[in-house]
Amino acid sequence: QKEVEQDPGPLSVPEGAIVSLNCTYSNSAFQYFMWYRQYSRKGPELLMYTYSSGNKEDGRFTAQVDKSSKYISLFIRDSQPSDSATYLCAMSRVTGANSKLTFGKGITLSVRP
Amino acid sequence: GAGVSQSPSNKVTEKGKDVELRCDPISGHTALYWYRQSLGQGLEFLIYFQGNSAPDKSGLPSDRFSAERTGGSVSTLTIQRTQQEDSAVYLCASFEGMDNSPLHFGNGTRLTVT
Repeated sequence: QKEVEQDPGPLSVPEGAIVSLNCTYSNSAFQYFMWYRQYSRKGPELLMYTYSSGNKEDGRFTAQVDKSSKYISLFIRDSQPSDSATYLCAMSRVTGANSKLTFGKGITLSVRP
Repeated sequence: GAGVSQSPSNKVTEKGKDVELRCDPISGHTALYWYRQSLGQGLEFLIYFQGNSAPDKSGLPSDRFSAERTGGSVSTLTIQRTQQEDSAVYLCASFEGMDNSPLHFGNGTRLTVT
C-alpha cells in the first residue's frame, strides 16, 4: 500500500460545478497537508496549505483534513475552465527545510465551458 | 523576481549515455529538492540539499544517479548509463527556509531515453 492514495481520474465536470478531490494516507505521522495545482508542461504550484485537522478556505477553494480518518479533501466551488489542471495532494511529517513531501499520483480535472 | 529555472527543458538521449540536468534556484533559497515525475507514478523525492550538503539522498533510485550543489546555488543532477526506465520529468524545487512557506518548483526537464 502506498503512503498516499489519490483517485487517478480523470475527472470532467461542467463549468460552475462543485468539484471534490480526495486523498487518503496511511502514515499517522503526517501533520502538514497541501494541495498543488499543475498545469500542462509546468511545475506544481502550491494551492492550499493546512496544518493538522480542520478546514481552510481561500476564495473558491476549501481544504479539509480529517486526521482521524486519514482523509483530506479539496473542494472547488463554481469551477471555471481555468481550473483545468492536475491536482496533487502532498503531505509531510514536519515543516521547514527538511519537510520532504510525499505526493499522491495526481488527478487531472477538466472543466467544460 | 525570477523563479526556479531548469535546463534543458527537454532532453532526448540514447540508452547508455550520461545526462546532466541543471537547476538554478530562487536567489537566497537555502534548500533545494529534486523530484521525479513519471507517468502514472506521481512525484517521487530524489534528494534534498541544505546549502551544498545533501542530508537526505534516500530517494536516489540507484548509484547511476548523483547530484551536487555548488556555491549554495546551482545544482546538477547527473544520470549515468541512462536506461529507458529513467524517462520522466525531473523537477527541481527551492525553499526559502521559513515554516509554512511553499516549495517553488521549476517547470522540469523532460527526459526521454530511447
